[in-house]
Amino acid sequence: RKEVEQDPGPFNVPEGATVAFNCTYSNSASQSFFWYRQDCRKEPKLLMSVYSSGNEDGRFTAQLNRASQYISLLIRDSKLSDSATYLCVVSPYGNNRLAFGKGNQVVVIP
Amino acid sequence: ETGVTQTPRHLVMGMTNKKSLKCEQHLGHNAMYWYKQSAKKPLELMFVYSLEERVENNSVPSRFSPECPNSSHLFLHLHTLQPEDSALYLCASSQELGDPNEQFFGPGTRLTVL
Repeated sequence: RKEVEQDPGPFNVPEGATVAFNCTYSNSASQSFFWYRQDCRKEPKLLMSVYSSGNEDGRFTAQLNRASQYISLLIRDSKLSDSATYLCVVSPYGNNRLAFGKGNQVVVIP
Repeated sequence: ETGVTQTPRHLVMGMTNKKSLKCEQHLGHNAMYWYKQSAKKPLELMFVYSLEERVENNSVPSRFSPECPNSSHLFLHLHTLQPEDSALYLCASSQELGDPNEQFFGPGTRLTVL
């Protein structure tokens, strides 16, 4: 089983709509969870950390479900500028390394 | 310069060439990383350095040779590469090793091996 699994999509989303996707992780001892955003041909950048109590930043909401070992990202009122690949990132073996998923590709359509 | 910079941004090389990738971070961080990103694959961690000491080599072939002369600079020396080594090579840094909060990435070097 892969450390981090994501459905690559693409997720075609009408502008203004809500989109949500999950990411599953294999190591139940994982301690830290993040969503990174990667624009086409650019480097990944931290979007938000995911806490046990969830995390909300404007139109973006992240949730953690430890029992089922998944994290989720929800984007409300999608903007064209939200088009990007969203990388699920987990720290599975302590804090020395991060494990990345393949990413969820989001395409917001006018 | 701010953040993490990488040079060159694009590199085309033959299998018999020797080249080096350079990364520099201007953030005062103590940990630096090399990643490989291939099409349709997740980022793969290659090397981890903390205070100029290599602390992780993630089963990377010896044709990739990292060097960290100080905490601000990281190099990746390449020799006798294979076409399957063509990928985006990303450098990242974090405040400390074991800092889970954020890794800052450079723009990457897009490498093509002919």
